[in-house]
Formats: sequence, structure tokens, C-alpha cells
Amino acid sequence: DIQMTQSPSSLSTSIGNRVTITCRASQNIDTFLNWYQQKPGKVPKLLIYAASSLQSGVPSRFSGSGSGTDFTLTISSLQPEDFATYYCQHSSSSSFGPGTKVD
Amino acid sequence: QVQLVQSGGEVKKPGASVKVSCKASGYTFTRYGISWVRQAPGQGLEWMGGVTTYNGKATYAQKFQDLVTMTTDTATDTGYMELRSLRSDDTAVYYCARQSTYYYGSGRGNYLDFWGQGTLVTVSS
Repeated sequence: DIQMTQSPSSLSTSIGNRVTITCRASQNIDTFLNWYQQKPGKVPKLLIYAASSLQSGVPSRFSGSGSGTDFTLTISSLQPEDFATYYCQHSSSSSFGPGTKVD
Repeated sequence: QVQLVQSGGEVKKPGASVKVSCKASGYTFTRYGISWVRQAPGQGLEWMGGVTTYNGKATYAQKFQDLVTMTTDTATDTGYMELRSLRSDDTAVYYCARQSTYYYGSGRGNYLDFWGQGTLVTVSS
């Protein structure tokens, strides 16, 4: 089975900062990688699919990159509504990473 | 607009079964799959499995292989997830989500673009 890991597990930052979250797959998954955002008590929201494709309606400050085993979610300038937990997901096996909490 | 509306919360005793429904609207039901994801209190997201709605074929995560059955009813655009032999650590919010598929090279990927509101299942004696 392909295992997904994320780093860091949590990070503290401030409004306006650039935020980078890393997801690593245990083997090559090409660009089969999705990113989700979940705020406390809320339903997860799709941000990025196929590693770098921005889901409709998601602000352009969110971007995804990477292929193979290493992937990155970047928030170019953190906004107040971006404090949340972010999950990567291998889009072929559907397994999720453990999450990164941004506070 | 796309909506997935799930059935209400359930309280079950250990060893029992639970069946959660997910009523879809606002799109052609058979053009997308339905996935089920759960989240235990304070924990991360866990994919349980998914169903291809046009043929009813289900794929389950290995952990749930003998415990879960996922079905769909195309007459009512509703998906169902039944989890058996419940244990206290099955206490979680269970989500259904619309599963979209894309193709890259010789491979296929899925993403979950619309989610139900979640159903809390509590397992307690």
C-alpha cells in the first residue's frame, strides 16, 4: 500500500505570510494527488486535484506543485479564513495523509 | 446546485450495524461515484471505500473489506453505507462525497468535490 505523510504536522504563522505544506508518497504516484482544507466542525473542501489543478471557486492564493513522490501546497499570502487543517490524498488509492494544522 | 444530504445521527450498541444514506441532487447521479470517508473525534480523514454508481461496483479500503457494504439506488439517487460489527472506535462522523474521475497517462485518479453534511455515529454500550 502507498503511504502518505505530511510535514509539518502543525505550524504557527501569521496573516500575510507564505505557507508551504509538504506531502510525500511512499512510492511514485505521478500527479495523482489532491489537497483538501477542513475548518473545525466543518466539511472538508477540495482545493487542488491532479497535484496542481485549482478547483473551481478556490482563491488563486492556493497552489499545488510536485510529481512523483514529493508535493507541495502553497498559500501565497495567508488570510484569516485559511486557518484550518490541510490534508493530502492519493487520488488513485484515495488514502489521506495525516493532516497539517495551520494556526 | 449539487447537494448531498445525509441521514441523521445514530447511536448504536457494540456489535450492531448502522446504515447511513446520502441523497444526491443537482447533477446526473450516474455520472459520478460516491465515496465514504469517516473522521473519528479529533482525528484525521479516513477513506472507507467508494461506489461506481452506474454499475454498482464497490471498492473498499482493506481495513473495511469484510465490515462494510456500499450500495446505490439509481431510482432515488441515493447512496448507502452499512457498517457491521460496530465497536466503540467506530464512533465518528461519516461523510459521503461525490467522486469525480480524471485520467492521466494510463492511470486514473479520483477527487471528492462535493460532500454531505456528515452523520455522527456513536457506538456505546
